[in-house]
Amino acid sequence: QKEVEQNSGPLSVPEGAIASLNCTYSDRGSQSFFWYRQYSGKSPELIMSIYSNGDKEDGRFTAQLNKASQYVSLLIRDSQPSDSATYLCAVKYNNNDMRFGAGTRLTVKP
Amino acid sequence: KAGVTQTPRYLIKTRGQQVTLSCSPISGHRSVSWYQQTPGQGLQFLFEYFSETQRNKGNFPGRFSGRQFSNSRSEMNVSTLELGDSALYLCASSLAPGDREQYFGPGTRLTVT
Repeated sequence: QKEVEQNSGPLSVPEGAIASLNCTYSDRGSQSFFWYRQYSGKSPELIMSIYSNGDKEDGRFTAQLNKASQYVSLLIRDSQPSDSATYLCAVKYNNNDMRFGAGTRLTVKP
Repeated sequence: KAGVTQTPRYLIKTRGQQVTLSCSPISGHRSVSWYQQTPGQGLQFLFEYFSETQRNKGNFPGRFSGRQFSNSRSEMNVSTLELGDSALYLCASSLAPGDREQYFGPGTRLTVT
């Protein structure tokens, strides 16, 4: 069974802090990893993708991938109230099957 | 470039009826995937279409079906609706099935009463 696990939260951080979101996956054959942001009542929006071990930075966002530990994370620096949303971790397998975690709800308090 | 569009945005149906949802991918994208999102089950993969062919299918009953047209637009159909089919149905497009990134449309909110 291909599973993607996330802590459902809610995760609450003060404005300006670093928010750390974590995700584990079960299938070692996974090749591509994504973070989507979903505001309440809206559709998921792709914010980061990562394909190789290490860190990938894009503005205030850093995705980290450790394939040996089957672990992917998202760091949001200088968190803003507008970052308050549910963050979905997604894993794409070799057969193009895309599986999503249940999401972590993040609240950034002013 | 216009994003993924889905119609209708909201739909109310009664049990036993059938429904058809439509999705137009981003211009140039040829792969369309459909997902069901519910509070209890999260985002679940329904099926993927490319070049008018179903390439991949999730674990849903045969009441859920889809098709893709030559212009890459896709429709999904749910027959004999059940209360549990109430959900947000999302369509996502990508250049091709092997393409790594996909982009979601705004979704169709289906309520079954």
